[in-house]
Amino acid sequence: SQQGEEDPQALSIQEGENATMNCSYKTSINNLQWYRQNSGRGLVHLILIRSNEREKHSGRLRVTLDTSKKSSSLLITASRAADTASYFCATDNQRGSTLGRLYFGRGTQLTVWP
Amino acid sequence: DAGVIQSPRHEVTEMGQEVTLRCKPISGHDYLFWYRQTMMRGLELLIYFNNNVPIDDSGMPEDRFSAKMPNASFSTLKIQPSEPRDSAVYFCASNAGQGFNQPQHFGDGTRLSIL
Repeated sequence: SQQGEEDPQALSIQEGENATMNCSYKTSINNLQWYRQNSGRGLVHLILIRSNEREKHSGRLRVTLDTSKKSSSLLITASRAADTASYFCATDNQRGSTLGRLYFGRGTQLTVWP
Repeated sequence: DAGVIQSPRHEVTEMGQEVTLRCKPISGHDYLFWYRQTMMRGLELLIYFNNNVPIDDSGMPEDRFSAKMPNASFSTLKIQPSEPRDSAVYFCASNAGQGFNQPQHFGDGTRLSIL
């Protein structure tokens, strides 16, 4: 499977702490994306990092990408209860013939306690 | 701006019945994706379209599943006949341009229960 794999499967922290989630994938990619899914809702795009980028920031989010290790991490700083959600990484396939599709991992369930 | 709109939000029906899920993508988006999400299998891509043409339907589980996109603003996913193992949340998503380089915008899904 080309799917990304997130680690850990579940993470439980207190408000104010940082949360780090990791993603590993198998193929060469053009970009990697992170999404959030609140309970009962659809996925929401958070950030896209291209294969020639190593780090990207958006507000309290910091994403890193190491293409040599085929891995990425998502850091949420100063977490809030509202950050409670599932987080997914998604990759394309640089050499794939099916342009446009993304391969999603199984997600990390983050719980932030007040 | 209106996002991706899916209907119905919830569907409960008996085994053997036909089920039709509907999706309206964001205006101007030329890629449309249908996904299925379950606890056991996670998020699976069923089929996707580019400019209303199916590009990859290898994720469609069986001939009981079919999808159409008659125009740029509407798509359907049909299951006939439905079975209890089809119970899942079905998502539609869309994006624009070179799809792999753009975020996908998801609807809030249809929660399908087959009794």
